[in-house]
Amino acid sequence: QVQLVQSGAEVKIPGASVKVSCEASGYTFTRYVMNWVRQAPGQSLEWMGWVNTDTGYTKYSQRFQDRVTITRDTSANTAYMELSSLRSEDTAVYYCARTEKWKLDNWGQGTLVTVSS
Amino acid sequence: QSALTQPASVSGSPGQSITISCTGTGGDVESYNFVSWYQQHPGKAPKLLIYEVTKRPSGVSDRFSGSTSGRTASLTISGLQTDDEADYYCCSYAGTGIYVFGPGTKVTVL
Repeated sequence: QVQLVQSGAEVKIPGASVKVSCEASGYTFTRYVMNWVRQAPGQSLEWMGWVNTDTGYTKYSQRFQDRVTITRDTSANTAYMELSSLRSEDTAVYYCARTEKWKLDNWGQGTLVTVSS
Repeated sequence: QSALTQPASVSGSPGQSITISCTGTGGDVESYNFVSWYQQHPGKAPKLLIYEVTKRPSGVSDRFSGSTSGRTASLTISGLQTDDEADYYCCSYAGTGIYVFGPGTKVTVL
């Protein structure tokens, strides 16, 4: 069965960077795009960007364009999302989601990133 | 700030039907047939309910259905059950590889 397993919770100080991983299993990794979505406490889902796991091509939300980098390692069936220049407003749960034809059909369990001094 | 609008909350009694709307700005819901809906229970990851406006993934109950009219997409839950109490999010493709989510609707089963 499809599984997306994300790395564990992180605590970061303002200005630092965080890198969250998402290891896929149960399907051919390079046949699906991987999206990243975040959710601040009590807030809505917010789309951040995606990576074409086959080509490495990326697309980012304009809101995060300058601070986010999404990559993948096909040898490890793993996608990564790195967010830099963290501020308190970046405290959120970050999700990876397998995507086909614009539907996010399988989600990771989420990774809580807390930004606090 | 979301480009899609949803009601903050919708409620209904067990067995009733409810409908959640998702209104776009013209460059999203109305332009593409790539509207999806997600259900999220507290503390859990979102779950895909509907994709491409009307399609259901295997395993999703046929009590959930989707439709669209102009700039507005809708999710209808029929035969409301206590387990349907959750947050529901619409999502639309908005062109040039961009996605947009709605603000979410909290469904309460009375």
